Amino acid sequence: AQTVTQSQPEMSVQEAETVTLSCTYDTSESDYYLFWYKQPPSRQMILVIRQEAYKQQNATENRFSVNFQKAAKSFSLKISDSQLGDAAMYFCAYRTGPYGGATNKLIFGTGTLLAVQP
Amino acid sequence: DSGVTQTPKHLITATGQRVTLRCSPRSGDLSVYWYQQSLDQGLQFLIQYYNGEERAKGNILERFSAQQFPDLHSELNLSSLELGDSALYFCASSRAYGGTANTGELFFGEGSRLTVL
Repeated sequence: AQTVTQSQPEMSVQEAETVTLSCTYDTSESDYYLFWYKQPPSRQMILVIRQEAYKQQNATENRFSVNFQKAAKSFSLKISDSQLGDAAMYFCAYRTGPYGGATNKLIFGTGTLLAVQP
Repeated sequence: DSGVTQTPKHLITATGQRVTLRCSPRSGDLSVYWYQQSLDQGLQFLIQYYNGEERAKGNILERFSAQQFPDLHSELNLSSLELGDSALYFCASSRAYGGTANTGELFFGEGSRLTVL
């Protein structure tokens, strides 16, 4: 069974600085997706960034980028120029690839609570 | 707006009672997933339906049940409620099958917050 581990329960960063959130996962599959979701105090689940395992290039979305190390099964999120609005719980998640059938649920890590200091 | 609609947004009830949470997936999405998030916890997968059929089950209690109707909306029924069932219940949807139409992403509703007193 696949598992997702986030070893940092809490992190803190100064406004305008850069922070990296860690995530590791375990799977025997070769085709899968990895995600970072953000959950602000409103509790809405918001997709931050997506990575397809077959792509070697790391995904980037504006100030958010990932470091995807497939062999090491590592998927970290880097937030550059941190803003107060980035303060939230961040969840790393795994999903079986697009041809894995209909039972491809998201498997979440336990989350990292990010505080942004002004 | 994710396109996934959940009702009610908030629900307060007493122990021993039964409630029904409702979810309408995004237009065109055939797969619906239910997740439970207890206070300060991660999201725990409960159950998945695809086009009306149950496809995957997580650690869902026997007191809980779900179904997906022909119009693809889904309901999660929680019975004999206990204090520990207080949580945020999320519904998410996706296309589920592969090809370019499936980006792999799940789209989440805003959740139904259940408080059991």
